[in-house]
Amino acid sequence: QSALTQPASVSGSPGQSITISCTGTSSDVGAYNYVSWYQQHPGKAPKLMIFDVNNRPSGVSNRFSGSKSGNTASLTISGLQAEDEADYYCYSYTTTSTWVFGGGTKLTVL
Amino acid sequence: QLQLQESGPGLVKPSETLSLTCTVSGDSINSGTYFWGWIRQPPGKGLEWIANVIYGGSTQYNPSLRSRVTISIDTSKNHFSLNLNSVTAADTAVYYCARRRGGSGGLDYWGRGTLVAVSS
Repeated sequence: QSALTQPASVSGSPGQSITISCTGTSSDVGAYNYVSWYQQHPGKAPKLMIFDVNNRPSGVSNRFSGSKSGNTASLTISGLQAEDEADYYCYSYTTTSTWVFGGGTKLTVL
Repeated sequence: QLQLQESGPGLVKPSETLSLTCTVSGDSINSGTYFWGWIRQPPGKGLEWIANVIYGGSTQYNPSLRSRVTISIDTSKNHFSLNLNSVTAADTAVYYCARRRGGSGGLDYWGRGTLVAVSS
């Protein structure tokens, strides 16, 4: 199985909004609403930010939102803050009953 | 508060078997509604899903690792384990354990991770 495709890097200024895309196929992202997003700061474990395409766990800021269209899922962060600078990964279930991560996106807050 | 803690050797020789355990505290591992899994991250690289297990023994494996991996669950010790055989330097990574709630795709609890190096 191939990793989902994410941009290697994105950047934005404080207060701005950014969107990270996660492109898969009709066998993974497009097949189910089991897409989740993770934030990872250096040296730390990933943290769940969005699950099932557009649901936020308790305690996650409402500046984080998710969506999906066809085979592409997206994570949007509004009102960028310095603390948002991190790596972000998408994750999806597949039609072969396996799971796959995206390659990861490094977010830089300018 | 649920906590997951990985344990195991930090150094494994090439061709040998990497064995890790994830101890769950704060809840019982034998709830049939949760899946327990392993994810790894080579230094400087992205995340890779390895395998999942649920109470009752049902398992899922990454096809690229399937021939070398075994995941198991021990409810008496409230932990689950990973065995990866015939390791090479490419298996050097931080290994994380995590939980996923059934009916959802999110890994909501993670261990802190443990670095395993493969070297002679």
